[in-house]
Amino acid sequence: QVRLEQWGAGLVKPSETLSLTCVVYAASFDGYYWTWIRQTPGKGLEWIGEINYSGNTNYKPSLNGRATISADRSEKQFSLRLTSVTAADTAVYYCVGVGNGGLIPPGNWGQGTLVTVSS
Amino acid sequence: QSALTQPPSASGSPGQSVTISCTGTSSDVGGYNLVSWYQQYPGKVPKVMIYEVNKRPSGVPDRFSGSKSGNTASLTVSGLLAEDEADYYCISHAGNFWLFGGGTKLTVL
Repeated sequence: QVRLEQWGAGLVKPSETLSLTCVVYAASFDGYYWTWIRQTPGKGLEWIGEINYSGNTNYKPSLNGRATISADRSEKQFSLRLTSVTAADTAVYYCVGVGNGGLIPPGNWGQGTLVTVSS
Repeated sequence: QSALTQPPSASGSPGQSVTISCTGTSSDVGGYNLVSWYQQYPGKVPKVMIYEVNKRPSGVPDRFSGSKSGNTASLTVSGLLAEDEADYYCISHAGNFWLFGGGTKLTVL
């Protein structure tokens, strides 16, 4: 049973950097695109970016280079850094393992971290 | 890259069918057969109902079906049940990234 566990700061000041990390249990790290998705409270889902087993990354263009996803295959962990945050970045952030074709199997979601951007 | 367009709400009575649309462009929905649909209950993580336009993962009832025409994908829920009341999101591949729709709240009357 795949399990993702995530952690990171829940409160970040405006203009500072949001950092989250996710560890993957019981799954081949090579089998998925390791992805970050966020959801604004009461609103919709937003795809942030992904990293694959080769370390190749893709990001949502409208983030304008503020997001960086990295991975440590030996530890089966991947991380998100989002710089220059504003209140608009306040959201629940999920780490997700996405399979081929965009399929996210049940269980391939982290528990979510509410990140609030506030001074 | 704006979010894909979904109607904010949809509704139907038990037993009826309802279709939720997801409209994009030729750079996303129209350009790839990589559209998925997710169901989300309040306080829960989303669950995949359809992937690659019309494929249903094991365990998802065949009351759920997906299709695509041009730049618009659709999710149809047939034989509505009370448990189908939830938020539904589409997501499409868009080249080097993925785009979500804004979500549709499905109400079973």
